[in-house]
Amino acid sequence: KAGVTQTPRYLIKTRGQQVTLSCSPISGHRSVSWYQQTPGQGLQFLFEYFSETQRNKGNFPGRFSGRQFSNSRSEMNVSTLELGDSALYLCASSTPGQSTEAFFGQGTRLTVV
Amino acid sequence: GNSVTQMEGPVTLSEEAFLTINCTYTATGYPSLFWYVQYPGEGLQLLLKATKADDKGSNKGFEATYRKETTSFHLEKGSVQVSDSAVYFCALRGDDYKLSFGAGTTVTVRA
Repeated sequence: KAGVTQTPRYLIKTRGQQVTLSCSPISGHRSVSWYQQTPGQGLQFLFEYFSETQRNKGNFPGRFSGRQFSNSRSEMNVSTLELGDSALYLCASSTPGQSTEAFFGQGTRLTVV
Repeated sequence: GNSVTQMEGPVTLSEEAFLTINCTYTATGYPSLFWYVQYPGEGLQLLLKATKADDKGSNKGFEATYRKETTSFHLEKGSVQVSDSAVYFCALRGDDYKLSFGAGTTVTVRA
């Protein structure tokens, strides 16, 4: 069974640009969540999508957005990049339910210069 | 809202030493509790979980017991190896289905 796939693995962008990251969940998983990981802030929850609807949202500015497609694949977009957006962006997928575990991808390392 | 507080690191141990990482939580209802591990350069992977009070999760020699009376889920391993060097995250999933993480504890095991 294929795991969670995130593309690209590494990305370098210039301040002010926008970026789109992609996440393909495990087959059959309809919930996809995104996290930002930085040395100073740890793991910060961005948002969660379930069946193409945003179910939860973290405390990030509107420059961060996401969507989920009918095949459960998800994308997140960051517009007007800032230096502080440099981070590891992790995607996780799971089946519905409070007790289910989340399966994580290896992440996309975004560097803003 | 729900939150997780875990022991600050870094923690440095010798091989075969006993490891404990403290984790406490605040949540409404009856959350499920998890420990995740992140090895260098990789994403997070589930180490163990417990879904109700007094449940004990265990895997790879690690154990944690869901203690509702003390709202805790401390991680323990009796004899660590160099290969256990990683960052460990305590997490909970509440009735809003959102997975909330602690700050992470970096563990280094020396030979």
